[in-house]
Amino acid sequence: AQSVTQLGSHVSVSEGALVLLRCNYSSSVPPYLFWYVQYPNQGLQLLLKYTSAATLVKGINGFEAEFKKSETSFHLTKPSAHMSDAAEYFCAVRRVGAQKLVFGQGTRLTINP
Amino acid sequence: DSGVTQTPKHLITATGQRVTLRCSPRSGDLSVYWYQQSLDQGLQFLIQYYNGEERAKGNILERFSAQQFPDLHSELNLSSLELGDSALYFCASSASTPGGGTDTQYFGPGTRLTVL
Repeated sequence: AQSVTQLGSHVSVSEGALVLLRCNYSSSVPPYLFWYVQYPNQGLQLLLKYTSAATLVKGINGFEAEFKKSETSFHLTKPSAHMSDAAEYFCAVRRVGAQKLVFGQGTRLTINP
Repeated sequence: DSGVTQTPKHLITATGQRVTLRCSPRSGDLSVYWYQQSLDQGLQFLIQYYNGEERAKGNILERFSAQQFPDLHSELNLSSLELGDSALYFCASSASTPGGGTDTQYFGPGTRLTVL
């Protein structure tokens, strides 16, 4: 069965600092990979997705993620954190040909002024 | 705004009761997915419908059922409710192929269910 591991349930960075949220997946075949963001009392919004095209994926709000098959990773980064980035971030995987998204446990990002 | 609507936003009920959650997908989307988000289980896939037919089932309890109507809206029915069913229930929709492919799932704002 596929699984997703997000390292760090809480990450805290200073405003203007680099944001790095880690995601590793387990799959024998590279799946489709997604990052979603959830703001308080809201639904999930897609940040970006990897669908076996370019390994470096650019998303909304200045975020990007790099698919590394050798490391089975899909870490999310943003060069300079903004206060509005404070939210919970979910990495998700979908096996090719499957329907459901399998989510990681989420990482709560806090931005310090 | 994702274009997916869910009603009600909040629901408070008692153990043993039955509730119905409603979801309207984005215009043109044929697939509807239901997910449950709880503190202990995280985000879990429950069930998917495509154009009125059940396509995939996840960790959905037998007390729960869903359907998708001809107008493509979907309802999730939860019965014999237990305290542990308290959670945020999300509906998502996607555009096209029943196999999912690279489709993006767009999530609604969720229904927060509290079972007392």
